[in-house]
Amino acid sequence: SQTIHQWPATLVQPVGSPLSLECTVEGTSNPNLYWYRQAAGRGLQLLFYSVGIGQISSEVPQNLSASRPQDRQFILSSKKLLLSDSGFYLCAWSVRDRALNTEAFFGQGTRLTVV
Amino acid sequence: AQSVTQPDIHITVSEGASLELRCNYSYGATPYLFWYVQSPGQGLQLLLKYFSGDTLVQGIKGFEAEFKRSQSSFNLRKPSVHWSDAAEYFCAVGAYDYKLSFGAGTTVTVRA
Repeated sequence: SQTIHQWPATLVQPVGSPLSLECTVEGTSNPNLYWYRQAAGRGLQLLFYSVGIGQISSEVPQNLSASRPQDRQFILSSKKLLLSDSGFYLCAWSVRDRALNTEAFFGQGTRLTVV
Repeated sequence: AQSVTQPDIHITVSEGASLELRCNYSYGATPYLFWYVQSPGQGLQLLLKYFSGDTLVQGIKGFEAEFKRSQSSFNLRKPSVHWSDAAEYFCAVGAYDYKLSFGAGTTVTVRA
């Protein structure tokens, strides 16, 4: 069966420090991958979308970047964190084949607090 | 542009009572519609989804939702809530690529 792993679960970082959040998917190949962010009191917002290695679509302008160095690995990064980067970050995946694509599967999330 | 509005930020309901959560969407084509539930500190779990066909959709945990195109709504219902239904509920709209737009969520509190 397919699983998605996301770590760390919680993270407290000072303003100006770098960030690296990792997400890996097991049990499938060629998935679509997503990074969402949930800011306090708001719904989830799609940050990045990827359909393949090295193919990243940024959905909103921001201080963050994403990379996909391997087929089932999706990394969210920042060179210098801002207070506004605090939030709950969720990684998700879906099946690439549209005929088999029934839902998006979400990881457990990372709670990031920038202090 | 696609968007979702969940008008109710917080709903309190007694255990055993019925529950209805409202969702209105804006989308340029036939939408894919979803309801997710998030328990504290957890990721999202899909309750149900609508792609096409029967406008009344059954989901897990006894939830159902009705798609009303004329009202651009996809309201979630449960006839009798359990204490374990206390959580945050998100409505989302998108397409087959699952680039979803979520509402701000509705927090449900269940009182004994």
